Parts: sequence; C-alpha cells; structure tokens
Amino acid sequence: DAGVTQSPTHLIKTRGQHVTLRCSPISGHKSVSWYQQVLGQGPQFIFQYYEKEERGRGNFPDRFSARQFPNYSSELNVNALLLGDSALYLCASSLFPTGGSYEQYFGPGTRLTVT
Amino acid sequence: AQSVTQLDSQVPVFEEAPVELRCNYSSSVSVYLFWYVQYPNQGLQLLLKYLSGSTLVESINGFEAEFNKSQTSFHLRKPSVHISDTAEYFCAVTPVDGNKLVFGAGTILRVKS
Repeated sequence: DAGVTQSPTHLIKTRGQHVTLRCSPISGHKSVSWYQQVLGQGPQFIFQYYEKEERGRGNFPDRFSARQFPNYSSELNVNALLLGDSALYLCASSLFPTGGSYEQYFGPGTRLTVT
Repeated sequence: AQSVTQLDSQVPVFEEAPVELRCNYSSSVSVYLFWYVQYPNQGLQLLLKYLSGSTLVESINGFEAEFNKSQTSFHLRKPSVHISDTAEYFCAVTPVDGNKLVFGAGTILRVKS
C-alpha cells in the first residue's frame, strides 16, 4: 500500500504570495494532521482534520488554513507568505484522531522556501 | 500544555559504541510518549512508543526507551550503534485524550567509523 503522499516536494514562493500544499493519506485513514518543521527545530502542530471537520488548531496565525475533502485528502493554504514561513511542511495520517493509540504516519514533506 | 526538552542537539559516537539520547517532558496531564527518527530528506518514522504497561519499550532495530514518571524522562538507548543509525531523533508527547504531537527540538546522532 502507498504511504502518505505530499505534493509538491519543493516549492519556491515570493513574500506576499499564496501557497497550497496537498496531502493524500494512507488508504482507510480518516484523520490528517499538518505540522511545520523549521530548520533546526522539531515539528510544530498546525491543524488536525477528521471526517472533514477541524479537530485541532495550533498556535498559527489566520493566514494558515486547511480543509479535508470527502476522499480524506487535505490541503494546507498559507496566504501573504512571510520569510519565516520557510519550512518543511509535514502531513501525517492516522485511522482516528485521538491520543497515541492510533499511530500517525508521516509523509516526506513539502519544502517551502519564501524569498 | 506540554513541552519536550531534548538535552543534546548533537551526539557523535563511534560505531559499535553505546548511545543514550536524553528526553525530558513537562505536562499537567497524563501523556503518551514517542521517539521518531528522521533520515535525510525523508519524513518522520515512528521508532517506539510508550502507552501503558511496562515502562521499558523496545524497537525492532535494537533501540529501547524507558519511561520514568518521577523524573519525567523517556531516554532512548542503544547498546551498539551502526553507521546506518545516523539520523535525527525526535522525542514527542501527546495527551492521553489529545490529538496533537508535541515534539522536542531533535538530537542529531552521528555515528563515525
């Protein structure tokens, strides 16, 4: 079975632009989470979606938004890009959203560079 | 809220030597604990996890970690490392009834021949 897939793998944008990142979860997984990993730091939680509903939001500005589609794939949108948004964006999928019993499987990430 | 501290940013070690990567956490509620590994240009892979029961948990590739509630620690150990263990290791926690992972800053393990 395919793992979590993310597209694109790399992206270069200019300050002020908008970006959309995409994630396809493992088949059968209904929950998707997004994390931001700035160089030299651990991943930071941005959003979690389950059955198309937002189930959790991290401490990120409203410029960050996301949605989940009926096929459980997800998009992360970032508006008005700042230099500080440059990071590896990771998507993780799990069967269900709660606690640690349901392992989160991570995709390879999208490397976003803002110039 | 939860926080995770990984005490060493880099750990250099010779092949076949033992290694310990340290992790301490802070939380006002019960948590599950995890170690993830990230190889260059790849996503995170779960190495091992503690949910309940025995405080010593093991991975299939020889790593082990021990949950110490009194010291709020979850240190990762391996008795003999290989070159292929070179990677970045992240300690993480999640509240038992929560839905997000809180990660430490990571420890880069460099195994030298």
